[in-house]
Amino acid sequence: NAGVTQTPKFRILKIGQSMTLQCAQDMNHNYMYWYRQDPGMGLKLIYYSVGAGITDKGEVPNGYNVSRSTTEDFPLRLELAAPSQTSVYFCASSYLTRGGVDQPQHFGDGTRLSIL
Amino acid sequence: KQEVTQIPAALSVPEGENLVLNCSFTDSAIYNLQWFRQDPGKGLTSLLLIQSSQREQTSGRLNASLDKSSGRSTLYIAASQPGDSATYLCAVAGANNLFFGTGTRLTVIP
Repeated sequence: NAGVTQTPKFRILKIGQSMTLQCAQDMNHNYMYWYRQDPGMGLKLIYYSVGAGITDKGEVPNGYNVSRSTTEDFPLRLELAAPSQTSVYFCASSYLTRGGVDQPQHFGDGTRLSIL
Repeated sequence: KQEVTQIPAALSVPEGENLVLNCSFTDSAIYNLQWFRQDPGKGLTSLLLIQSSQREQTSGRLNASLDKSSGRSTLYIAASQPGDSATYLCAVAGANNLFFGTGTRLTVIP
């Protein structure tokens, strides 16, 4: 059972570089999410998607972009890395039918990103 | 904006004790409330999900309650074990978002 798979697990970037964090799920979930977790803080939503071709901003979207071309994949792109983007990034997925029974979110193991 | 608070921030108990973790939230218009466990260097694992229409959920030694009107939830852990040591996160669901607390770091001492 793969669940939610994130790559890479660790990465160090220089200021101004760009990179894409990969996320894939094999549970046929319609919703996918990207969160960041800063030390001592709760997780904050960056972007989410309710299905292929549909994305929307969360609480802290500035400096990031996403796409959802397939149900399985939801990559997160940093265009111009800044020190403030040093964080642990978590991808999650869930199956939701509003009005039905909610299912819990499944999380990947995270990507630890340092911007120097 | 929804604010989620967890008290205490850290807790140490001897093995075998029963314990309660607390979560409070400011906006009672929620879809559900979830409790997660996070081990160091790992992602979050869902423990319990309480729908907004429910009052409690149970799984093994864990019991979570929800009181929407007062904006509170508790996670009760019975007969704690060293393997329960982790950070426990509470999250409340809005329309398309989960709002997380900062967690309670639990240490169970053998």
